[in-house]
Amino acid sequence: QQPVQSPQAVILREGEDAVINCSSSKALYSVHWYRQKHGEAPVFLMILLKGGEQKGHEKISASFNEKKQQSSLYLTASQLSYSGTYFCGTEPSDSGAGSYQLTFGKGTKLSVIP
Amino acid sequence: DGGITQSPKYLFRKEGQNVTLSCEQNLNHDAMYWYRQDPGQGLRLIYYSQIVNDFQKGDIAEGYSVSREKKESFPLTVTSAQKNPTAFYLCASTVGHYGYTFGSGTRLTVV
Repeated sequence: QQPVQSPQAVILREGEDAVINCSSSKALYSVHWYRQKHGEAPVFLMILLKGGEQKGHEKISASFNEKKQQSSLYLTASQLSYSGTYFCGTEPSDSGAGSYQLTFGKGTKLSVIP
Repeated sequence: DGGITQSPKYLFRKEGQNVTLSCEQNLNHDAMYWYRQDPGQGLRLIYYSQIVNDFQKGDIAEGYSVSREKKESFPLTVTSAQKNPTAFYLCASTVGHYGYTFGSGTRLTVV
């Protein structure tokens, strides 16, 4: 099942902060976060794994609550370049070994204005 | 530089025609994926492959077919059975829990 992202869209002024949430109905092994600019491919931002391990860009902050099957992406001191659509991708705990198969949410459109 | 190459960037399909989208990677990744993206729908999994000569259906495999004869290549064929193929198609690969690398996509339009 597709994870649910909130909010669907958000508008920020430069320097403001935002939080994007991702919620799944299934037990998760990992959560990924990607940013996509219009007409381009998604770009990997971060992966959060069951057990607390995180890998990704240093300037990106996120959390993963395994019990609640939820993750949040924190964007602080936003810049114009942060604009785009943010997707979470979830890997269930019962996915086949080595499949790394992700189900993506519908995305959150972030617009940063001067 | 390593990466994923998708071609063509734009593709037009006539009714009843099969078309093949190319996906080539030089990252030495084992796992490869095809996703379809429609406006407001996010990315939906069509097929994925963990190793050569093996692949599994995703959530929306009907009307599509794939092959994985080489580690580097994972072409997707959109068959005439796919009634609504107009979409943005993305190929991705990974070597493990390090995140996906995506290609630049193919935009398919039915004419």
